[in-house]
Amino acid sequence: DAGVIQSPRHEVTEMGQEVTLRCKPISGHNSLFWYRQTMMRGLELLIYFNNNVPIDDSGMPEDRFSAKMPNASFSTLKIQPSEPRDSAVYFCASGASGAGGAKNIQYFGAGTRLSVL
Amino acid sequence: DQQVKQNSPSLSVQEGRISILNCDYTNSMFDYFLWYKKYPAEGPTFLISISSIKDKNEDGRFTVFLNKSAKHLSLHIVPSQPGDSAVYFCAASALGGNNDMRFGAGTRLTVKP
Repeated sequence: DAGVIQSPRHEVTEMGQEVTLRCKPISGHNSLFWYRQTMMRGLELLIYFNNNVPIDDSGMPEDRFSAKMPNASFSTLKIQPSEPRDSAVYFCASGASGAGGAKNIQYFGAGTRLSVL
Repeated sequence: DQQVKQNSPSLSVQEGRISILNCDYTNSMFDYFLWYKKYPAEGPTFLISISSIKDKNEDGRFTVFLNKSAKHLSLHIVPSQPGDSAVYFCAASALGGNNDMRFGAGTRLTVKP
């Protein structure tokens, strides 16, 4: 398996523009997570899905952020309108439910570095 | 609310010596703990884990210790190698939960040759 695939790897946009980040989880995984990494706060969980259903979006910073998972192999994180303070690296991770600890191991994509000018 | 805390943003050790990275948590519901390693321009990768029924788990040069009463865990790397230089994230979750995980802010380890 190719692992978790995120696109684009880098995104530079202007304030006010819409940004869409994409993620393809590992085949067979039924949990998907979106994280944001900043210098100040480290890795923050934004939202996660189980079986394509959003479970907890309490980490989404504000209404400008939205995430969807239309099927088991694709998810998007959208920021509209984007602001300079949204600049960060955004990671997607996926995991598999199952017995024991293996359930809780998440596999990360390489991330999308977003710069909002 | 930071439920998982890594109070040392950076650590520098000499090659061959022991590296000790620390992590504290506040949520008593956490019963499964993980360490992830992250190189620049890559995503975090799973390194080692421990469940709350144990107080130690060893995998080669890496050992994780868990002190439940103190809500503290640590990662020991011995001997440290220059290739271990990376950011290390501590994470915690509840096995009976929905698979979500809370991460610390990370500790940047530098191993000097």
